[in-house]
Amino acid sequence: DIQMTQSPSTLSASVGDRVAITCRASQSVSRWLAWYQQKPGKAPRLLIYKTSTLGSGVPSRFSGSGSGTEFTLTIDSLQADDFATYYCQQYNTDLYTFGQGTKLEIK
Amino acid sequence: EVQLLESGGSLVQPGESLRLSCSASGFTFSNSDMSWVRQAPGKGLEWVSFTSGSGGTSRYAGAVKGRFTISRDNSGNTLYLQMNSLRAEDTAVYYCAKMSSWYFEVWGRGSLVTVSS
Repeated sequence: DIQMTQSPSTLSASVGDRVAITCRASQSVSRWLAWYQQKPGKAPRLLIYKTSTLGSGVPSRFSGSGSGTEFTLTIDSLQADDFATYYCQQYNTDLYTFGQGTKLEIK
Repeated sequence: EVQLLESGGSLVQPGESLRLSCSASGFTFSNSDMSWVRQAPGKGLEWVSFTSGSGGTSRYAGAVKGRFTISRDNSGNTLYLQMNSLRAEDTAVYYCAKMSSWYFEVWGRGSLVTVSS
C-alpha cells in the first residue's frame, strides 16, 4: 500500500502569513492527490483535487502543486478561518490513503 | 444542495454487530459512487469502504475486509455499512462521502461508533 507522509505535523503561523504543507507519497501517485480541511468537531471539506484544481467555493488563496511523490498545499495571506487540520489523500490501484494530517495553529 | 446524513452509531460491546445508514439528498444517488471514511478519536482519516453507483463494485480497507459490508438502496437513496465482529479499534466517527471520480467530494456530519465492554 502507498503511504502518505505530511510535514510538518504542526505549523504555527499568523494571520497574513503564507504557509506551505508538504505531502510525500511512498511511490508515485501521478497527480491523483487531493487536499481536505477539517475543523474541530466538523466533517472534512474538499479543498483541492487532481493536485491543483480548487474545489467548489474554495478561496483562491489556496493552491496546490506537485506530481509523482511530492506535493504542496500553499495558503497565501492566512485568514482566521484557515486555522484547522489539513489532510492529503491519494488514489492508486483501487485504494485510498490519507496523510496523518497537519495542524495549522495560530502563533 | 447535496446533503448526507449518517445514523445508527451507538455503544456496542466487542464482537457485536451494528449497521450504519447514510441518507442522501440533493443529487442523483444512483449515479454516484460512495464511500465510508472513519476517524478514531484524536486521530486522522481512514478510508473504510467504497461502492459504485450501481452497487456492483465494492472495495474494502484491509482492516475491515471480511467483517464489514457496504451496500446501498438506490430506490431509497440510502447507503449502508454493516459492521460485524466489532473491535475496540473500530471505535471512530464514521463519515459517508459522495465521491467524484477518486476523491471525496461531499461529506456527511458523521456517526459515532464506540466499541467497549
